[in-house]
Amino acid sequence: DAGITQSPRHKVTETGTPVTLRCHQTENHRYMYWYRQDPGHGLRLIHYSYGVKDTDKGEVSDGYSVSRSKTEDFLLTLESATSSQTSVYFCAISNAIANTGELFFGEGSRLTVL
Amino acid sequence: AQSVAQPEDQVNVAEGNPLTVKCTYSVSGNPYLFWYVQYPNRGLQFLLKYITGDNLVKGSYGFEAEFNKSQTSFHLKKPSALVSDSALYFCAVRFQTGANNLFFGTGTRLTVIP
Repeated sequence: DAGITQSPRHKVTETGTPVTLRCHQTENHRYMYWYRQDPGHGLRLIHYSYGVKDTDKGEVSDGYSVSRSKTEDFLLTLESATSSQTSVYFCAISNAIANTGELFFGEGSRLTVL
Repeated sequence: AQSVAQPEDQVNVAEGNPLTVKCTYSVSGNPYLFWYVQYPNRGLQFLLKYITGDNLVKGSYGFEAEFNKSQTSFHLKKPSALVSDSALYFCAVRFQTGANNLFFGTGTRLTVIP
């Protein structure tokens, strides 16, 4: 298994509180991604990073921010959590060249916003 | 619009029978296509990919997929299903240019009946 660790694995929080999810990799891969998984939607990209301090938005980025200060860590922050952000969040990594490589996924972080 | 679709939410097959999980795509240009599997409470695991070359791609756990450019399809197949194949399957596409992220279908739940 790829060396990807997500924390926390489970979190329950209240509407309006800030939440940070962490993804840590030991593979030294260049690309890191945050997806959310919801029934009927599959996985949707929130944000991704193509290097330290280099990030870009995905298709569902509203309400989320990210930071990557080191190659191994990619943080996803919900500044003020809402119930619509209840989901399972997956981090993925890739060292793809020319977009041909597969992504490797973490085990997921289940977030419940009450 | 560029997209990937899995037309069946659920596929049931008897153990020992061949299985097919369907995937179609709509892109401009040549796509890179992937299949992933997700077991309960786990992250996604890579099964196989089509980049170029032979239209029949072989992957992990005895799975294979056939790229059909004229029908814009990339169906996942296995000659003889196992109960342990029961899981959620995702088709994904990455485009040759642009962002290095995968776009996922909505998933197909495969149930293999003993």
